[in-house]
Amino acid sequence: AQSVTQLDSHVSVSEGTPVLLRCNYSSSYSPSLFWYVQHPNKGLQLLLKYTSAATLVKGINGFEAEFKKSETSFHLTKPSAHMSDAAEYFCVVSDQGGGFKTIFGAGTRLFVKA
Amino acid sequence: KAGVTQTPRYLIKTRGQQVTLSCSPISGHRSVSWYQQTPGQGLQFLFEYFSETQRNKGNFPGRFSGRQFSNSRSEMNVSTLELGDSALYLCASSFPHGQITDTQYFGPGTRLTVL
Repeated sequence: AQSVTQLDSHVSVSEGTPVLLRCNYSSSYSPSLFWYVQHPNKGLQLLLKYTSAATLVKGINGFEAEFKKSETSFHLTKPSAHMSDAAEYFCVVSDQGGGFKTIFGAGTRLFVKA
Repeated sequence: KAGVTQTPRYLIKTRGQQVTLSCSPISGHRSVSWYQQTPGQGLQFLFEYFSETQRNKGNFPGRFSGRQFSNSRSEMNVSTLELGDSALYLCASSFPHGQITDTQYFGPGTRLTVL
């Protein structure tokens, strides 16, 4: 069975400092992994995805994530936080164990202080 | 291209009633998935349709059902509404094959309130 654990429900950083949002996953198959962002009162938007190509994935707005199979992790990072990054971030796993199914993590709320 | 559209955007119902929500995917997208988002449970997968066939279903009671039409538009229905069904219902479409590697594009959601 597949599952996703986002290790922090809230992360607070100062503007200009690095961002690290942690995600561990479990899958019986070769999964696809995604990070989505949800700004207040806005829809979910894809940041980046891993689909068994390069393990270091670059996304939009300076975000990137590294797929580490040995650690079953897919942490999201950004070198320098911007105020506009304040939002909720979801780590997502999809695999085809038992059919196409997508599982969302519980989400990490990112706060950015001026 | 127009994005995923969902109607209605807001809905208020009372317990025991039924409701139908509609989702129009991005043109050319054949896979449509539905999710329920609540503060307590987060985002939970309801079901996914591809070419009018339900390919997978999440862990929701039979009161939740859906269907997809030949033009890929999808509807979900909730019968005998309960207070706990109050949530944001999100629809997502993906291209080209509805495979796990595809990106999902989400609609703005339908906010359902059950009184």
